[in-house]
Parts: sequence; structure tokens; C-alpha cells
Amino acid sequence: DTEVTQTPKHLVMGMTNKKSLKCEQHMGHRAMYWYKQKAKKPPELMFVYSYEKLSINESVPSRFSPECPNSSLLNLHLHALQPEDSALYLCASSRGQIAKNIQYFGAGTRLSVL
Amino acid sequence: GQNIDQPTEMTATEGAIVQINCTYQTSGFNGLFWYQQHAGEAPTFLSYNVLDGLEEKGRFSSFLSRSKGYSYLLLKELQMKDSASYLCAVLDSNYQLIWGAGTKLIIKP
Repeated sequence: DTEVTQTPKHLVMGMTNKKSLKCEQHMGHRAMYWYKQKAKKPPELMFVYSYEKLSINESVPSRFSPECPNSSLLNLHLHALQPEDSALYLCASSRGQIAKNIQYFGAGTRLSVL
Repeated sequence: GQNIDQPTEMTATEGAIVQINCTYQTSGFNGLFWYQQHAGEAPTFLSYNVLDGLEEKGRFSSFLSRSKGYSYLLLKELQMKDSASYLCAVLDSNYQLIWGAGTKLIIKP
């Protein structure tokens, strides 16, 4: 089983809303990632959690706030987003953050900010 | 800087063979990955190479030459469902994935 589950699949929000994206994996992976992907572009890394601790924050604006409540769950809290934040948000997990680091991706949340 | 180059788009015929090339210049190298991504869906893992040579997995094979900073993905017996983007990604010295822009593969009957 290499399943990473993301909810919701689609989200439309206004610029004053607060919403959260959720990601779950039960593969025992200890590294989890958030990526942002615009159309026809590769994924852009936003955050990495390793053993439930934030290890990488790629200079992401504070309107995006990650949270890792436990080793299976990863959230991305959204507040006061801009229309340019509209994108596909992908969660991924891997066994660890080093070595043969196969990242398995969820189906993504397609976010539209109005 | 770090750079990964792959063709933007390729077209091939159903049943044929296609080779998608990837060249890279990165700070360190801890392996190269190929992912397939259908439009609007998540990337799915296809292959991983860390040593020089060819890795074969069914209809898909991936080749790596570290000295040349070069890899290719070979797809045989193409099927319509192989129409997708193919992303090359390198794990750099910090164990971060550096992604190419992807190659859109169009399969024609």
C-alpha cells in the first residue's frame, strides 16, 4: 500500500477565509512534504517534516502554516490567501528524508482563491 | 545553480518506442527519479537510478550516466494511457528533490 490521502480534493475560498488541507499516510513514513504545483510546471517544495519536526521551510509566506500532529498526519492551514495562491497542493511522504528517498504523492487538493 | 533540462514536449505513435532525455547539473547527487503525471493528477513514481546503467521495469527502462549528468526514460510498446507528463528529478547533496519542468508526451493512434 503506497497510499497518501488528501482532503479535500477541491477547495474554493475567498481571500478572508481560513481553511485547512489535510494529508494522511499509514505507511510508517517519517518524512512528509507539502508541494505547490502550478499548471504545466513541476512541483515546488514548500515544507518538509522529518520525524514530526519541521526541517525545511522554503521561504513560504506566513499565510501558509503547516502542522504535523503525529507521524501519520500533515495539515496545511491557509489564511488570507491571494488569487496567485491558486494551484494544486500536493502532499507526499517518504520513508526518511535521505537515501533512496522515493516520495509517494497524494492526489492533491486543487485550490482556487477568489 | 541547479539545473535539470528535459524536452518540453514529444509525440510518438501507439505501439512504438520513445526515449525521453534528461540532463542535470546539481550540487551533489544522491539519485535520479522519474515520475509520471497525468493531467490534474499526482505524480506517480516510475524509477530510481543511483548507479550507472540501465534499470528495467516492464515496458519502462531508465538509464543513468553520472559522469555525463545524463539520464533517459525509455518507454516501449506505447499505449494511449502513456500520454502524460514525465518528470525527471535529482536528489541533491541536501537530499532535496530538484525537479525538471517535465516532458509532455503525446501518443497518437
